[in-house]
Amino acid sequence: EDKVVQSPLSLVVHEGDTVTLNCSYEVTNFRSLLWYKQEKKAPTFLFMLTSSGIEKKSGRLSSILDKKELFSILNITATQTGDSAIYLCAVEDPWGGSEKLVFGKGTKLTVNP
Amino acid sequence: KAGVTQTPRYLIKTRGQQVTLSCSPISGHRSVSWYQQTPGQGLQFLFEYFSETQRNKGNFPGRFSGRQFSNSRSEMNVSTLELGDSALYLCASSFHGGDYGYTFGSGTRLTVV
Repeated sequence: EDKVVQSPLSLVVHEGDTVTLNCSYEVTNFRSLLWYKQEKKAPTFLFMLTSSGIEKKSGRLSSILDKKELFSILNITATQTGDSAIYLCAVEDPWGGSEKLVFGKGTKLTVNP
Repeated sequence: KAGVTQTPRYLIKTRGQQVTLSCSPISGHRSVSWYQQTPGQGLQFLFEYFSETQRNKGNFPGRFSGRQFSNSRSEMNVSTLELGDSALYLCASSFHGGDYGYTFGSGTRLTVV
């Protein structure tokens, strides 16, 4: 059975800290790994990673994928209170030509002022 | 451009009733997938539709069904509601092969009493 495991499940930091969120996966079919931020309801897209070793960056956020060791990390530098959210990692399974995401349970990040 | 629209936003139903949720994808997106989000299980894949065809289905009972119309709008139906069906139901649309990521709607919060 496909599995995506995120760690830690929750994290409390102070503004200005740097955090690293982890995502490991075991899936039969892999096309990409995606990171989402969920604050209230709609998860918002952060990154899509398909190739190992290529870092993707957006402002203070960055992410990298290791397809050999089957994991990804999401880094957030100089955290702000607005970064408080649940961060979701998902693996895209293209089995049968369909589009299906297998999600981890998420990491709840709380940034205190 | 308009995002993914889900209606209604909130629903309260009684055990044994049935419910229909609606999802309008981003214009031009042909794939619509549905997910159930609960505190214990996280986001779990329900099914995916592309060009009115169900291409994949998650591990949910037959009480959960869906369809997609020619304009790519999708509906999901849950019959004989159970208390455990209380959840946030999210739909996501994608352009083609998920190459540009998946965009989620704000979800429908279903409460079964």
